[in-house]
Amino acid sequence: QQQVKQSPQSLIVQKGGISIINCAYENTAFDYFPWYQQFPGKGPALLIAIRPDVSEKKEGRFTISFNKSAKQFSLHIMDSQPGDSATYFCAASKGSNYQLIWGAGTKLIIKP
Amino acid sequence: DSGVTQTPKHLITATGQRVTLRCSPRSGDLSVYWYQQSLDQGLQFLIQYYNGEERAKGNILERFSAQQFPDLHSELNLSSLELGDSALYFCASSPRGSGSTGELFFGEGSRLTVL
Repeated sequence: QQQVKQSPQSLIVQKGGISIINCAYENTAFDYFPWYQQFPGKGPALLIAIRPDVSEKKEGRFTISFNKSAKQFSLHIMDSQPGDSATYFCAASKGSNYQLIWGAGTKLIIKP
Repeated sequence: DSGVTQTPKHLITATGQRVTLRCSPRSGDLSVYWYQQSLDQGLQFLIQYYNGEERAKGNILERFSAQQFPDLHSELNLSSLELGDSALYFCASSPRGSGSTGELFFGEGSRLTVL
């Protein structure tokens, strides 16, 4: 019940296309859902995060869509660029406990 | 630059040896986390310290130990090293207090190679 399942494991998208990465969770107590972006040789960095009181959050070309009833959330990258090529991790946590439960990661490659 | 400093960046050692990885959190952050990332794998949470006290434990092997010092820097000790311990070890810190966004700030990692 503590797992966060992330898919796909890898994704190749043409430049200008939409990249979509999905995550699903079981624990309904989770109330914080961040996405982290990791470039090769670097540590992950927070990209965007959402709480379950909203169904969507947009920051530039990055959007989180959240479906509370389905216990799913997804990251959409619009107009994907080669610079977006990275590994993306979804995660979830509950309350003020910072213990994040991480998805397995998605390696995204944007082809020029 | 996240403000989290990890040393060393690279470390090569032999099986059976012991190493210490060091982490300095962002200024003002009381929580330190250690993660292991094997090649093309996800992030495995090892352990969390908050203001010097162990707060949470993940999949940390008994051969591994950590501590957080009064100046808030942390060290991860890995002993009796095995080939499978080769990985990137990340330290992260988070802001103090409740009501935080929960954002973790990661260092650039220490790459350990066990030969």
